[in-house]
Parts: sequence; structure tokens; C-alpha cells
Amino acid sequence: DAGVIQSPRHEVTEMGQEVTLRCKPISGHDYLFWYRQTMMRGLELLIYFNNNVPIDDSGMPEDRFSAKMPNASFSTLKIQPSEPRDSAVYFCASSLYEGGSYEQYFGPGTRLTVT
Amino acid sequence: TQLLEQSPQFLSIQEGENLTVYCNSSSVFSSLQWYRQEPGEGPVLLVTVVTGGEVKKLKRLTFQFGDARKDSSLHITAAQTGDTGLYLCAEHGSGNTGKLIFGQGTTLQVKP
Repeated sequence: DAGVIQSPRHEVTEMGQEVTLRCKPISGHDYLFWYRQTMMRGLELLIYFNNNVPIDDSGMPEDRFSAKMPNASFSTLKIQPSEPRDSAVYFCASSLYEGGSYEQYFGPGTRLTVT
Repeated sequence: TQLLEQSPQFLSIQEGENLTVYCNSSSVFSSLQWYRQEPGEGPVLLVTVVTGGEVKKLKRLTFQFGDARKDSSLHITAAQTGDTGLYLCAEHGSGNTGKLIFGQGTTLQVKP
């Protein structure tokens, strides 16, 4: 399996622009997670889906952030409009219940820089 | 919300030394996972511990789950430069939802 695939790997944009991050989870996994990682705040869970349905979006910072999962093999995280404080590495992860626990598999991340 | 405290936050050692990092909580863990994140990559699962008192070994890494399931440790024997990275512990949130709660991590630098 190719693992979790994220695109783009790097994104540089200007404040006010729309940014769309993409994720393809591992086939057969029923959970998908979006995280943000910064030096100051560590790894933060933004939102997660189960069987394509959003379960908990309490970590989404504000209305500028939205996420969708139209099918089992694709998800997007959109920021509109982007701000410099959104600069971070965004990770997508998928998981499967195995051996009594959920083991998450992370993608390589998208490094977002908003100038 | 359960908080995971990891210590130390930063650790810089010479190759060949031993080290231990810790993960603690005020509440009982249902299960605990350890991940390692190398620079520029996403976290990768190392191990899952489920039973109080459990010890698991992965080559030079030894993972221990406290008897009361409120703490865990990761011990590395004879550290190598390839062990450099961020070590994260994570615990499942309540309700068996698949959601993980991560600690802030321990950044380990192993110098040649």
C-alpha cells in the first residue's frame, strides 16, 4: 500500500488567498484525521471523520477552516481566507481498529507558509 | 479532557548513551501508543501497550506501561544518530472513537 498521500507537500501563499490541502487515506481505513503541527502548540487535532461523516470538528480554529470527505478515498481541508498565523505543517492520518486499539498512519504532511 | 505530560521536553545526548523518556497522565489510560516523528516526516507508530505492567521491546527500544496504567516510559539503549526525532505518546479519547490525544512530545537529538 502507498500509505497516506497528501498534496501539495509545500504551499506558499499570500494572506487572503484560499488554500486547499488534499489527502488520500489508506484503502480500507474507516477513520480520517486532520492535524496541525507548530512548534508552539505541538500536534493539534482539527477534525476527524468516520466512514466519511465528520464526527468532531471542535478543533477547527474558526470559520475560515472547512473540511470535506466526499468519499472514502479523498478528503480536503480548505482555509479561506488564509492568514499568516495559519502557517504550520498540516497532517492527514487514517486509522483502522486493530488489536484492540486504533493505530493511526500519518501522511508526510503539507508545509503551509502564508506571507 | 485528559492531558498527557511528556518529559523531558528536550534531550541532547551523545551516541552510545542510554536514555529514558516519560509519559504521564492524571487519569487511567485505556491503551497507550508511542510514535516517532523524524524531521520533515509524519509520526510513525512504534508500539501500542494495553495491559498494566506490560513491557514491549523493539530492538534497542523498551516500552513499559505502568501497573496502574497512568504512566509509560520509553528507554533507548545505546542511542544512535538515527534515533533523533520527536517522540510522542498518545492515548485514546473516551468512548472508543478512534480519536487520539497526543502529548507535546520529547525532542531527542543524538550527536555523533
